[in-house]
Amino acid sequence: DVVMTQSPLSLPVTLGQPASISCRSSQSLVHSDGNTYLSWFQQRPGQSPRRLIYNVSNRDSGVPDRFSGSGSGTDFTLKISRVEAEDFGVYYCMQGTHWPRTFGQGTRLEIK
Amino acid sequence: EVQLVESGGGLVQPGESLRLSCVASGFTFSSYGMTWVRQAPGRGPEWVSAITGSGDGTSYRDAVKGRFTISRDNSKNTLYLQMNSLRAEDTALYYCARGTVSIDPWGRGTLVTVSS
Repeated sequence: DVVMTQSPLSLPVTLGQPASISCRSSQSLVHSDGNTYLSWFQQRPGQSPRRLIYNVSNRDSGVPDRFSGSGSGTDFTLKISRVEAEDFGVYYCMQGTHWPRTFGQGTRLEIK
Repeated sequence: EVQLVESGGGLVQPGESLRLSCVASGFTFSSYGMTWVRQAPGRGPEWVSAITGSGDGTSYRDAVKGRFTISRDNSKNTLYLQMNSLRAEDTALYYCARGTVSIDPWGRGTLVTVSS
């Protein structure tokens, strides 16, 4: 199985400051169709995960533009330009290129 | 609005069975592959199984192969997960989600607890 490794696992951030989460895969996520199926999800306490980013860098409808995704191959990053109170929660990356699909272990974004 | 509503969870003993359902609305169900994901208490999501839009292709994680069966009824806009020979380690909140390479949205989940 493809192992997805996130870092850091805990990220204390001050409101208004930037934040960055890394996600590395044990194999390239470039699919034979040329796409790279790497998604980012946010999960707030008591809620279902919500997708923020798909195919590395495409923001979902309604997701603030302070969220951005980048990367290629095996190395990916989610960035928040200025953290707001509603951004706190746990963030997961997920690969959809290989079977079985796999998630990172999660990064908890918390108030500093 | 796209909606996914899961049901069928509950408390069962090891070795017993459950069938989960997920009713979809707000999109053309048969045009989308669908996925089941589970999340044990205090842990991250874990992909379980997926099925193509027509239902002719399925995939499972190794830990559930031979015990779980994913299926769908496109005439009823419903996704299923038949779970047999349940184990304590299957205890989790089970979500259905639209898509198979990138999944969105997710339902609210149905809780499965396997305990004697």
